Amino acid sequence: KAGVTQTPRYLIKTRGQQVTLSCSPISGHRSVSWYQQTPGQGLQFLFEYFSETQRNKGNFPGRFSGRQFSNSRSEMNVSTLELGDSALYLCASSRDRGYGEQFFGPGTRLTVL
Amino acid sequence: QQQVKQSPQSLIVQKGGISIINCAYENTAFDYFPWYQQFPGKGPALLIAIRPDVSEKKEGRFTISFNKSAKQFSLHIMDSQPGDSATYFCAALFGATNKLIFGTGTLLAVQP
Repeated sequence: KAGVTQTPRYLIKTRGQQVTLSCSPISGHRSVSWYQQTPGQGLQFLFEYFSETQRNKGNFPGRFSGRQFSNSRSEMNVSTLELGDSALYLCASSRDRGYGEQFFGPGTRLTVL
Repeated sequence: QQQVKQSPQSLIVQKGGISIINCAYENTAFDYFPWYQQFPGKGPALLIAIRPDVSEKKEGRFTISFNKSAKQFSLHIMDSQPGDSATYFCAALFGATNKLIFGTGTLLAVQP
């Protein structure tokens, strides 16, 4: 069974631009969660999508948004990029909500110049 | 109250030794406690996990010990190998959500 895939793997953007990251969950998994990983703040929850609806949101500004499609694939968008948005963005999928096991993709490394 | 505190920040162990990483939590609503292993340039990989109705779970060389009354859990890596050198994160799942709260990570170096 294929794991979680994320595209692109690397991105370089400049301040003020926007970016869209994509995540394909493990086949049969219906929940997709996004996390931001930085050296200073560690791993922080961004949001969770299930059945095309955002079910939970972390403590991030409204510039961070996402969506989920009917095939469970998910995208996250960051608008008006700031230098502090440079991070590894990780997507995790799980079979269901509250199921426990979450499997992470390799992440998208975003660098904002 | 939603924090998970992890220690030590870094750990050096000799090959064949036992690596022990500890975590503590406050919120009793957490009901699932996984450990993740992350190598540089990779995403976290689920290593082993436990639910609070179990005091210990063992998978190969990896064991989780769970103390519900103390709100603490730990990862033991037996017969540590250089290939185990990585960053380890404990986490807790919050209630019926899929929101994982992560510890700050432990950088493990196993010396040959």
